[in-house]
Amino acid sequence: DIQMTQSPSTLSASVGDRVSITCRASQSIRSWLAWYQQKPGKAPKLLISDASTLESGVPSRFSGSGSGTEFTLTISSLQPDDFATYYCQQYNSYSWTFGQGTKVEIK
Amino acid sequence: QVQLQESGPGLVKPSETLSLTCTVSGGSISRYYWNWIRQPAGKGLEWIGRIYTSGRTNDNTSLKSRVTMSIDTSKNQFSLKLSSVTAADTAVYYCARGGENCGGDCFDYWGQGTLVTVSS
Repeated sequence: DIQMTQSPSTLSASVGDRVSITCRASQSIRSWLAWYQQKPGKAPKLLISDASTLESGVPSRFSGSGSGTEFTLTISSLQPDDFATYYCQQYNSYSWTFGQGTKVEIK
Repeated sequence: QVQLQESGPGLVKPSETLSLTCTVSGGSISRYYWNWIRQPAGKGLEWIGRIYTSGRTNDNTSLKSRVTMSIDTSKNQFSLKLSSVTAADTAVYYCARGGENCGGDCFDYWGQGTLVTVSS
């Protein structure tokens, strides 16, 4: 299976900060990557698919980039609602796998 | 608005079979992939497998063929059976739809999740 590694595991930031989360794949996954946001006690929410396509209704402050083995989720100006855990997921080859998560905390 | 709801026993004994059903409302179950994903407490997400409306399935090879999935389009439901469970299978289990913008390979609608505990 393809291993997905996110960094950092925890990120402390303030409202208004620009933050970036990195996801690395153990082999090329082309652009077959999705990003999710999960809040405590809730199901994950799909933010981005195909590495950079924003899902309908997701604020434009979220963006995704990358291809091959290295990908980035960027939040241009962190809002109070954005404090959550973020996961990447590859769908290049079975079995679909997720990163271990990055928790974005209030600084 | 598509909604998914998991149902099934919250407690399963070791070595027995975990059985869950997901009911889809607000949209058709046809022409989509339907997935099961789980999350142990305080840990990350693990994809269990998926079923298409034709009945074709794909599952996570790490679960060593313990997974059986089925679908009932007349009831807008799909189901998961996981056999020979151990404490390591204790988790919140989610059902999710294969996303439209990613060819069905990501997950755009999710159920709220149901906690299944494996214990005697």
